[in-house]
Amino acid sequence: AQKVTQAQTEISVVEKEDVTLDCVYETRDTTYYLFWYKQPPSGELVFLIRRNSFDEQNEISGRYSWNFQKSTSSFNFTITASQVVDSAVYFCALSGSNFGNEKLTFGTGTRLTIIP
Amino acid sequence: GAVVSQHPSWVICKSGTSVKIECRSLDFQATTMFWYRQFPKQSLMLMATSNEGSKATYEQGVEKDKFLINHASLTLSTLTVTSAHPEDSSFYICSAREQGYSYEQYFGPGTRLTVT
Repeated sequence: AQKVTQAQTEISVVEKEDVTLDCVYETRDTTYYLFWYKQPPSGELVFLIRRNSFDEQNEISGRYSWNFQKSTSSFNFTITASQVVDSAVYFCALSGSNFGNEKLTFGTGTRLTIIP
Repeated sequence: GAVVSQHPSWVICKSGTSVKIECRSLDFQATTMFWYRQFPKQSLMLMATSNEGSKATYEQGVEKDKFLINHASLTLSTLTVTSAHPEDSSFYICSAREQGYSYEQYFGPGTRLTVT
């Protein structure tokens, strides 16, 4: 069975601070995908990143960066110089990579509040 | 980019009535669509996976007779909540997997259902 744990339920930081959202996963699959989604108050999920289990390189996209460590089954997300618009609920998710095993298992989410 | 729409975006219905929610892939063909439910301040829980032209596969604990899913074409899946009760009030989100791609899911904007 797949499982995604986001231990941080809520985080509040002052604007311009850096913040890291933790994600730990469990899977028996040898190949899988990891995702991060942002859910603003409107409710619509915004795709942020997909990472293949074969690719352990860290990724940076503007103020966002992701640290994938297979050895610790973690896929953490860092926002640098946070902004008020970053306030949202962030979900980490996991899926298998084979046809028929592509359903997403979501973590419980981390509610991030950026204080102006 | 791939766009998924949902209709209606919100609906209020009386207890005992049925309500249908549509999920459409607007610019791609979706072999598989997924239906999720999200209660307030909770994570997304997969309800069922629907494949075009075949019966949906429901997750454990989801009543198939209550949540009827039809995936009649490569661009449309519908979720009908039958004999709705106040506890069915939730945010329902669909996603669609593009034909030929095993890992990419595109999410709709969600439908907020309130049963009075």
